[in-house]
Amino acid sequence: NAGVTQTPKFRILKIGQSMTLQCAQDMNHNYMYWYRQDPGMGLKLIYYSVGAGITDKGEVPNGYNVSRSTTEDFPLRLELAAPSQTSVYFCASRRGGPKGNEQFFGPGTRLTVL
Amino acid sequence: AQTVTQSQPEMSVQEAETVTLSCTYDTSESDYYLFWYKQPPSRQMILVIRQEAYKQQNATENRFSVNFQKAAKSFSLKISDSQLGDAAMYFCAYRRGETSGSRLTFGEGTQLTVNP
Repeated sequence: NAGVTQTPKFRILKIGQSMTLQCAQDMNHNYMYWYRQDPGMGLKLIYYSVGAGITDKGEVPNGYNVSRSTTEDFPLRLELAAPSQTSVYFCASRRGGPKGNEQFFGPGTRLTVL
Repeated sequence: AQTVTQSQPEMSVQEAETVTLSCTYDTSESDYYLFWYKQPPSRQMILVIRQEAYKQQNATENRFSVNFQKAAKSFSLKISDSQLGDAAMYFCAYRRGETSGSRLTFGEGTQLTVNP
């Protein structure tokens, strides 16, 4: 299994540009998450999904959108990039159920908005 | 809302010594899980240890153990026989039981330095 994969690894955007951060998992996990990590801080939840077709907002959803058309993929869309969105973005997945406690994280995408 | 607090932004330890990282949390839930994650310079988030709130016994994983004090809402991580590879940022995290997506709430992290 490749686990959780994210692309791209790095990206520089200009203010007002748009982009999609890709996330995929091959573990057939129901739950998927997007977090952002600002410098020297912990991770904050942007959006999450409990299954295909179901998404919900986390702590910091403004400026982002997500979709979950398949179990495997959970892309994060930035429509109008702002400097405040400069951060490292992590995607994670979890199986769910009483034994599915662990979240598996992708390697992260470092995004800079100038 | 649940909160997680790590009061030690930085800690250091000599190689082969023991260090304890502190974490407190606030919740009104009875069913929850607690985790310690390690983030080395590669940025990869690595699960170190987890504790189910309903279990009274403290979790252990090789050199890593926790001191879970449910009444005090405290969840500290002890690293024994510290190794250079233990140097990383450590995050304490909380998760409710199997409801509402069960997302993680993270503390601000503790940067651990291991001195040779």
